[in-house]
Amino acid sequence: AQSVTQPDIHITVSEGASLELRCNYSYGATPYLFWYVQSPGQGLQLLLKYFSGDTLVQGIKGFEAEFKRSQSSFNLRKPSVHWSDAAEYFCAVGGELGGGSNYKLTFGKGTLLTVNP
Amino acid sequence: DSGVTQTPKHLITATGQRVTLRCSPRSGDLSVYWYQQSLDQGLQFLIQYYNGEERAKGNILERFSAQQFPDLHSELNLSSLELGDSALYFCASSSSPSLTPYEQYFGPGTRLTVT
Repeated sequence: AQSVTQPDIHITVSEGASLELRCNYSYGATPYLFWYVQSPGQGLQLLLKYFSGDTLVQGIKGFEAEFKRSQSSFNLRKPSVHWSDAAEYFCAVGGELGGGSNYKLTFGKGTLLTVNP
Repeated sequence: DSGVTQTPKHLITATGQRVTLRCSPRSGDLSVYWYQQSLDQGLQFLIQYYNGEERAKGNILERFSAQQFPDLHSELNLSSLELGDSALYFCASSSSPSLTPYEQYFGPGTRLTVT
């Protein structure tokens, strides 16, 4: 079974500081990995995805993430956080449901990011 | 704006009642997914439809059902509602029939409150 762990429930950073949100996954094969962001009262917006190839992927809003197979991690980073980045961030792994022909997303519990001025 | 629409935005109902949540996928997307987001369970996959047919089931209760219509919109029916069904229900769509890992685009959600 696939699973995602986001160890940090809540992170607070100052505006302009760098950010790293941790994500660890469990999946038996090559995972498909995603980061989504959810602003208050909004749906989930896709930030970036990893399917294969270059392990450092770039996303929208200046975010990037690095896939490290040896550590089963897919951490999200941003060099300089803006106040508008305050939101909840979800890591997700895509993998097969039983039967080998269906695919679903499994989400972590999320990390709430607070940005101090 | 993801292009996925959901109605209603908010729904307040009493225990034992039945409600229907509606979702219209992005133009051209054939797959629709339903998720439930609650404080204790997080974001949980419920069910997926592709071009009118059920493709996959997740943690969906027997009291819940869904369907996808010929125009590709989908409805999630929740019956015999309990307090614990209070949650945010998201619909997502993708162009994938689920055999490949295309990204899913989420709607704004329907907040259901059961009193």
